[in-house]
Amino acid sequence: DAKTTQPNSMESNEEEPVHLPCNHSTISGTDYIHWYRQLPSQGPEYVIHGLTSNVNNRMASLAIAEDRKSSTLILHRATLRDAAVYYCILRSLSSGSARQLTFGSGTQLTVLP
Amino acid sequence: GAVVSQHPSWVICKSGTSVKIECRSLDFQATTMFWYRQFPKQSLMLMATSNEGSKATYEQGVEKDKFLINHASLTLSTLTVTSAHPEDSSFYICSAPPSGKTETQYFGPGTRLLVL
Repeated sequence: DAKTTQPNSMESNEEEPVHLPCNHSTISGTDYIHWYRQLPSQGPEYVIHGLTSNVNNRMASLAIAEDRKSSTLILHRATLRDAAVYYCILRSLSSGSARQLTFGSGTQLTVLP
Repeated sequence: GAVVSQHPSWVICKSGTSVKIECRSLDFQATTMFWYRQFPKQSLMLMATSNEGSKATYEQGVEKDKFLINHASLTLSTLTVTSAHPEDSSFYICSAPPSGKTETQYFGPGTRLLVL
């Protein structure tokens, strides 16, 4: 799977939007962009994923650059419970079978009250 | 959403003993489950892929005789750490993609192992 690059850490104020960037310059045409987050002492949880178009769900929005070489996870209104490590992961589904996720170092998001 | 459970949530054992960790998909079937290990301040590292009805596949550097994996049914995979040593102390996490659905994986809450 292609590699992703994320900032090690970011800070946000509570109730303000947060934009978490991810660079994936070597992304291929069949790579989906997935975001997971891991709260302290818990397993990761799925946040959102997309291929080309921007995506929205109840947790977040995913903005994908036109050339797909970067994406941004948007938390519209950060809460203290959003403090976590956010992982941007590329997964190719060209094989059609379930595959493991390859985790990078992620971005540690700190939300300030 | 789908739920994956792990048991126990934490365990302390003496060096040389074996520890079994269970991973269950509670409301879906999973022919494949993944086992990860996470050391403090580090990211998750894949250890092995558990396949229902066949042998597990291990990542390079993971000893299959030390980390025994059994995928007994479509909802249960177990990881047994045999002859545990202090360096095996870690956070063990399983994940499962629902059968036939490959976009999303569901993770268990993790099992913290401390070997004294």
